[in-house]
Amino acid sequence: QQQVKQSPQSLIVQKGGISIINCAYENTAFDYFPWYQQFPGKGPALLIAIRPDVSEKKEGRFTISFNKSAKQFSLHIMDSQPGDSATYFCAASRDTGRRALTFGSGTRLQVQP
Amino acid sequence: GAGVSQSPSNKVTEKGKDVELRCDPISGHTALYWYRQSLGQGLEFLIYFQGNSAPDKSGLPSDRFSAERTGGSVSTLTIQRTQQEDSAVYLCASTGQGAGGYTFGSGTRLTVV
Repeated sequence: QQQVKQSPQSLIVQKGGISIINCAYENTAFDYFPWYQQFPGKGPALLIAIRPDVSEKKEGRFTISFNKSAKQFSLHIMDSQPGDSATYFCAASRDTGRRALTFGSGTRLQVQP
Repeated sequence: GAGVSQSPSNKVTEKGKDVELRCDPISGHTALYWYRQSLGQGLEFLIYFQGNSAPDKSGLPSDRFSAERTGGSVSTLTIQRTQQEDSAVYLCASTGQGAGGYTFGSGTRLTVV
């Protein structure tokens, strides 16, 4: 019930392309869904987050799409750049983020120049 | 401080020894979390402190693991009688009163030899 399943495990995209990472959750009590970006040797950093009252949220080149009925959400990175090469984690929690986050297993994104 | 500070950044210890990992959260942040990240894996929740409430210890993998938070600020994660499977990056994060994303430190890389 606490799992968040993330795919793919790794992704290679050409510069300028669209990167898409998917996550699925089981616990219907989850009500806060952030995405984190992690560079080697650094801690994860919050990228963008969504709550289930909206189906999409966009910040710059990053968009979260949320499907409450399917219990799925995804991260789209438009016009992917080599600097976007990092590991991306989806996560979920209850009580609008006041509870501990449950993280997906991560997606290693490589954007080729 | 400006960010979450963790020390040491790297720690090599012999199997069976005890280790202490330190986290200094952002000033004023009431919630503090410890996570463990094994090589190429996602983040595994360990323990959560919120203000003066009793900590949520549900993620601690064994009784060799313990943590405390003194004065609502600095936290220490202690691992007793370390085992090789304890080798991982231990990440600390803090958040403010409002719901929302964590600010992570850069982690302590623990290697048990």
